[in-house]
Amino acid sequence: DQQVKQNSPSLSVQEGRISILNCDYTNSMFDYFLWYKKYPAEGPTFLISISSIKDKNEDGRFTVFLNKSAKHLSLHIVPSQPGDSAVYFCAASALGGTSYGKLTFGQGTILTVHP
Amino acid sequence: DAGITQSPRHKVTETGTPVTLRCHQTENHRYMYWYRQDPGHGLRLIHYSYGVKDTDKGEVSDGYSVSRSKTEDFLLTLESATSSQTSVYFCAISESPPANEQYFGPGTRLTVT
Repeated sequence: DQQVKQNSPSLSVQEGRISILNCDYTNSMFDYFLWYKKYPAEGPTFLISISSIKDKNEDGRFTVFLNKSAKHLSLHIVPSQPGDSAVYFCAASALGGTSYGKLTFGQGTILTVHP
Repeated sequence: DAGITQSPRHKVTETGTPVTLRCHQTENHRYMYWYRQDPGHGLRLIHYSYGVKDTDKGEVSDGYSVSRSKTEDFLLTLESATSSQTSVYFCAISESPPANEQYFGPGTRLTVT
């Protein structure tokens, strides 16, 4: 049972345009969400997060939107740069219950930004 | 960058042999995690630790055991390696939930032949 899903395995975007990566979750206990970026042969690196008490969090070119009623979050990258080409994972955790202290990851989306 | 190292970085082993992977941190973080990454599955939690000698299972713990005898080291053991355990293994650390921003090591690529 995949509690966090990234339904797009890949996304291709032109440099300078917006990249939108999507993530859906099914567990209503999740209340903290994160995005990680991963380059080949490296470990994932933390990118941005959002608490369920917010619907938007922005950090430079990266913005995460959370729609709790739809159990959906998205990561916007504006403007996209070739160096953004990587695998992006969304992850979720809960402040309590069996998911406390643990992250549940989606399958990842490969983003390719073309010059 | 968080001070996390993993050893070995690459290993090839034969089916049925035991294998131990090591994660070492210099951040003095309480929580440590072992994940495996496989195509189509993202990162899946194997085991985690919330303190010295305190460990618990993740979603794919069968065939794996862990030990943590001191804060800085978290060992993952494949008791009898199988080809299905061919994967890339990542260690992660976290200062504390609930923020849960985990920091990952560089990974170990394990091939079981």
